[in-house]
Amino acid sequence: EDQVTQSPEALRLQEGESSSLNCSYTVSGLRGLFWYRQDPGKGPEFLFTLYSAGEEKEKERLKATLTKKESFLHITAPKPEDSATYLCAVQAIGGSQGNLIFGKGTKLSVKP
Amino acid sequence: SAVISQKPSRDICQRGTSLTIQCQVDSQVTMMFWYRQQPGQSLTLIATANQGSEATYESGFVIDKFPISRPNLTFSTLTVSNMSPEDSSIYLCSVEGDRRGETQYFGPGTRLLVL
Repeated sequence: EDQVTQSPEALRLQEGESSSLNCSYTVSGLRGLFWYRQDPGKGPEFLFTLYSAGEEKEKERLKATLTKKESFLHITAPKPEDSATYLCAVQAIGGSQGNLIFGKGTKLSVKP
Repeated sequence: SAVISQKPSRDICQRGTSLTIQCQVDSQVTMMFWYRQQPGQSLTLIATANQGSEATYESGFVIDKFPISRPNLTFSTLTVSNMSPEDSSIYLCSVEGDRRGETQYFGPGTRLLVL
């Protein structure tokens, strides 16, 4: 069964304290892995798509990496405005079209 | 990326009633998707809606409970029928947004509370 597990469930950081969020996945074949940011009361905001092991993408203080079993979202010198829930999702080869399988998310709080 | 709007943004409904949620996109898209986000749970795909064909439902979701319309390439509706408190959730529509077709962009969601 295709599955996505995110850890930790919640993470509290001080402003400027770098850290990483983990997304472990189990799929028969990976079509793509996706990171989203979700603020309270809003829909998920797209961050990155990764397609193959070894791929990396960056955007401002965020960097996403991908291996054959997991992905990391690295946050460098976070600011309070980075506080949000970060969601990871995968799309499996052979799965129903468009079916993104989501983890439960990591709730990040950055204190000034 | 596409700009997606949903109506209503939130609603409180009585059990046994039905609610229709609208999703509007600012550009033509082939595929639209409906997801549910229950409290403390992952987003789960309900169905895929293609214009001109019947929606395709995921395991555990049925057309009688969640009928979907897709009258054109920029609009879709999801109806939550005969609601119970267990239907209290956030309902989200999404569209495919890149050439490869995998990346999805989400609307703001509809927050539904059933009493």
